[in-house]
Amino acid sequence: DGGITQSPKYLFRKEGQNVTLSCEQNLNHDAMYWYRQDPGQGLRLIYYSQIVNDFQKGDIAEGYSVSREKKESFPLTVTSAQKNPTAFYLCASSSGRTETQYFGPGTRLLVL
Amino acid sequence: AQSVSQHNHHVILSEAASLELGCNYSYGGTVNLFWYVQYPGQHLQLLLKYFSGDPLVKGIKGFEAEFIKSKFSFNLRKPSVQWSDTAEYFCAVTSTGTASKLTFGTGTRLQVTL
Repeated sequence: DGGITQSPKYLFRKEGQNVTLSCEQNLNHDAMYWYRQDPGQGLRLIYYSQIVNDFQKGDIAEGYSVSREKKESFPLTVTSAQKNPTAFYLCASSSGRTETQYFGPGTRLLVL
Repeated sequence: AQSVSQHNHHVILSEAASLELGCNYSYGGTVNLFWYVQYPGQHLQLLLKYFSGDPLVKGIKGFEAEFIKSKFSFNLRKPSVQWSDTAEYFCAVTSTGTASKLTFGTGTRLQVTL
């Protein structure tokens, strides 16, 4: 099955703790993205990567970090500096030529 | 910076009613336009897209959208909605040559009643 997988489906974070959300794709897409979805605010871009070992900040990168060591993987770390981390996090990927993004099922992060 | 406005936040329709969801964007250059749908408990799916050519675009499940460049609009339409169309709908835009950086609207929640 080709697609994008995100794990876990639900994640709980304690105050002051860093947590890492996984995103894997087997679509052979060059570009990958992380979005945050909050009720009434749509999706906002956190980070994106057009190629391995390169990534750029999106609109709301503060308190987050990413890495892109492999083409198929783009993990997102929510650091303790992110003061309001409770949200639904969506990963996406695209082939640069088509510019159409395909989304994973998402991870819901909750702060205890 | 580009932005996307979806003026209808919550729409309630009876089955068989016609649907039109508004989407306006602000960007003066060439754009690619998308409508995504998020059914309850499911992940975001592409409904339709416009890159170039015929401004009337047909998508899945009987949806269509019309790109009107002079109005900076890309409204979504369906002649007759079904209960299964209950979902949240997002309009998104990317300017060509910006590495596919999508800007999303805030979404419209559609509720279809029997």
